Amino acid sequence: DQQVKQNSPSLSVQEGRISILNCDYTNSMFDYFLWYKKYPAEGPTFLISISSIKDKNEDGRFTVFLNKSAKHLSLHIVPSQPGDSAVYFCAASALGSSNTGKLIFGQGTTLQVKP
Amino acid sequence: NAGVTQTPKFQVLKTGQSMTLQCAQDMNHEYMSWYRQDPGMGLRLIHYSVGAGITDQGEVPNGYNVSRSTTEDFPLRLLSAAPSQTSVYFCASSYSGGLEPQHFGDGTRLSIL
Repeated sequence: DQQVKQNSPSLSVQEGRISILNCDYTNSMFDYFLWYKKYPAEGPTFLISISSIKDKNEDGRFTVFLNKSAKHLSLHIVPSQPGDSAVYFCAASALGSSNTGKLIFGQGTTLQVKP
Repeated sequence: NAGVTQTPKFQVLKTGQSMTLQCAQDMNHEYMSWYRQDPGMGLRLIHYSVGAGITDQGEVPNGYNVSRSTTEDFPLRLLSAAPSQTSVYFCASSYSGGLEPQHFGDGTRLSIL
């Protein structure tokens, strides 16, 4: 049973426009969410995170929005650049009192930004 | 600063063979973990460790063994390789595994024939 889902396997946008990547989760115990970016033949690299006590976190061109009632989060990239072309993974963790850092990943969305 | 180093980068095994995937980090991180990435399934946690001498199972631990004798190293052992273990394996580390993002190695691509 997939607890974290990225229902769009791929997304294509024009350079300069907004990219919106979506992620849904089912486990209400998740309280910390992250986005990772992955280029071919490399490991994932951390992009941005959000705690469940917030509904928005911004870092430069990247903004993550969290809607706890809908169990949905999204990553906005504005403006999109060709170098943003990569696979984006959403991940969730139930820190609670255990704080073990176990991450549950979504399937990934391949973003292509066209020049 | 090497970060997280995984060796080998590529490996082909025959069914039934055993092997060890190596992972080393030079950031003095307490938390280390192993994931496998399969097409359409994202990354799934195999085993993790919150410090030297302490390991625990993740989502898909069967067929894999780990140990953590030092802070720096976290090897993953395949006891008897099966074609279903063909995958890309990633090792990751962080200071405590909590709010600190995990740093990933570049992966080991493993094929089991």
